[in-house]
Amino acid sequence: EAGVVQSPRYKIIEKKQPVAFWCNPISGHNTLYWYLQNLGQGPELLIRYENEEAVDDSQLPKDRFSAERLKGVDSTLKIQPAELGDSAVYLCASSLVLSGNTGELFFGEGSRLTVL
Amino acid sequence: TQLLEQSPQFLSIQEGENLTVYCNSSSVFSSLQWYRQEPGEGPVLLVTVVTGGEVKKLKRLTFQFGDARKDSSLHITAAQPGDTGLYLCGASSGGSNYKLTFGKGTLLTVNP
Repeated sequence: EAGVVQSPRYKIIEKKQPVAFWCNPISGHNTLYWYLQNLGQGPELLIRYENEEAVDDSQLPKDRFSAERLKGVDSTLKIQPAELGDSAVYLCASSLVLSGNTGELFFGEGSRLTVL
Repeated sequence: TQLLEQSPQFLSIQEGENLTVYCNSSSVFSSLQWYRQEPGEGPVLLVTVVTGGEVKKLKRLTFQFGDARKDSSLHITAAQPGDTGLYLCGASSGGSNYKLTFGKGTLLTVNP
């Protein structure tokens, strides 16, 4: 079974440029998460989808970040314009959430962003 | 917002030693998960604990969930270099909230 697939693995851009990350979750998983992880730190939730609905985007900096999950499958995370402080690893995860159970999160390998 | 505190933040030990890392909060959780993350990879689930006082063993790893479901510990016996990685605890308050919040992690290095 294929795992969570993310692309690109690495991206280097100059500040003020746009960037987009793509995530293909595990087939059948109803919940998709985007996390931001700084070096040596734990992941911080940016946005959580249940099917195609964004149910928690309270930590997403909406002035420059946007996300979508069309048809409740693949998802994209966009930053425009990027700032130096956005340099981090962007992790996508998916899970099968059943009633009363968060379930196991399956993570992709992440997209490492460097903003120069 | 529940806050998960992990300690120690860094731990460097020799192969064969035992160690314990901790995950604490003032909040009560419906479930708590431990993940291990290796460099350049995403976190991978080790265990989920849901019952206060629960103890789970995974080979040389022993996980305990506090009686009040506010804290957890991970004990590794006879650590090996392959145990090196970032150990993360993540917790959910349950109900209709399936948000998993992570601590900052414990970075473990096991030297041969």
